[in-house]
Amino acid sequence: NAGVTQTPKFQVLKTGQSMTLQCAQDMNHEYMSWYRQDPGMGLRLIHYSVGAGITDQGEVPNGYNVSRSTTEDFPLRLLSAAPSQTSVYFCASSPTGGADYGYTFGSGTRLTVV
Amino acid sequence: SQELEQSPQSLIVQEGKNLTINCTSSKTLYGLYWYKQKYGEGLIFLMMLQKGGEEKSHEKITAKLDEKKQQSSLHITASQPSHAGIYLCGADTGSARQLTFGSGTQLTVLP
Repeated sequence: NAGVTQTPKFQVLKTGQSMTLQCAQDMNHEYMSWYRQDPGMGLRLIHYSVGAGITDQGEVPNGYNVSRSTTEDFPLRLLSAAPSQTSVYFCASSPTGGADYGYTFGSGTRLTVV
Repeated sequence: SQELEQSPQSLIVQEGKNLTINCTSSKTLYGLYWYKQKYGEGLIFLMMLQKGGEEKSHEKITAKLDEKKQQSSLHITASQPSHAGIYLCGADTGSARQLTFGSGTQLTVLP
């Protein structure tokens, strides 16, 4: 099925470890973004991309890196995991122009840093 | 930055009852999205509103955007247990299609 695929679904990391959260979409969407969801805080934007080769910071970028080498993929890298990065991470994509059907979200990655 | 305030934070209703969730913005809304999330799952798009006074419906869910484009409401008629979940409003900031979200409303529907 077409959509946004995130892997892994669950991950436990030790403080200081690094890892990459994968996000892939097969809808040829130009825009992709990463959000984190914490209790009582809704979703907060980490990084976003308006197209291959272009990325920018969102509201809470510290501790995360992204790259966009292809239209399909938008991985999120945790450089040195900290307990404060324990959260649920969502990747989303949308086409250019109008988006009357909204942004498409992946099913999320639940990350715990111990 | 644009802030979205949702109310109530949580809502428990008996099956068959009507309910309303509100989303208020500190700035003019240029695109207001409603999403539903079930625990442990991603966000499901419900509706998008852009024009002042606009109203959209899907099955038993109706969303409205006020004329001033600073407040939206989501109304569920004759609620069912399948409506349970977290409802989130999101606003298009107008810049590179970034969405700002409210903190969500947790809806429980008792059978």
